Amino acid sequence: AQTVTQSQPEMSVQEAETVTLSCTYDTSENNYYLFWYKQPPSRQMILVIRQEAYKQQNATENRFSVNFQKAAKSFSLKISDSQLGDTAMYFCAFMTPPGGSQGNLIFGKGTKLSVKP
Amino acid sequence: NAGVTQTPKFRILKIGQSMTLQCTQDMNHNYMYWYRQDPGMGLKLIYYSVGAGITDKGEVPNGYNVSRSTTEDFPLRLELAAPSQTSVYFCASSRRGTGGEYSNQPQHFGDGTRLSIL
Repeated sequence: AQTVTQSQPEMSVQEAETVTLSCTYDTSENNYYLFWYKQPPSRQMILVIRQEAYKQQNATENRFSVNFQKAAKSFSLKISDSQLGDTAMYFCAFMTPPGGSQGNLIFGKGTKLSVKP
Repeated sequence: NAGVTQTPKFRILKIGQSMTLQCTQDMNHNYMYWYRQDPGMGLKLIYYSVGAGITDKGEVPNGYNVSRSTTEDFPLRLELAAPSQTSVYFCASSRRGTGGEYSNQPQHFGDGTRLSIL
């Protein structure tokens, strides 16, 4: 069974600095998708960034980028120029490949990020 | 743009009561999902649907039922509420992606329903 592990329950960063959130996963599949979701206090689940396992290039979305290491099964999220609005729970998620459940997400337990002024 | 709408936002139930959590999406997405989020945890899949008339179990389906009579709506039913079902429930949807039945598209989430069973 696939699992997703986020080893940092809580992290904090000063405004304008850079922070990296860790995520590892376990799977025997070769083709899959990885996501980072943000959940602010409002409780919404907001997609931050997405990575296809078959792509070697790391995904980037403005201040958010990932370091995808397929062999190590690692998928870390880097937030540059942190802003107060980045304060939230961040969930790493893995999407099961074809042949299994139809595209459902498997989530890690989350990392609570606090951006301090 | 409404996206995924869940009702109610909050509800308190007594043990043994039943209720239906409503979820509707206006994006014409084929796939819909129900997750639950327990305190300090990530989301776990309860049920999902790949289209109208088709539903299937996720990781934690016991105590729940779903139906998908239309593309837009995917209600979640609790028949006999138990304290273990106290949680925040999220509905999500996504469009069909590449690879036939497999959806590799991002899921869009509703705002959640906080349910307490006392």
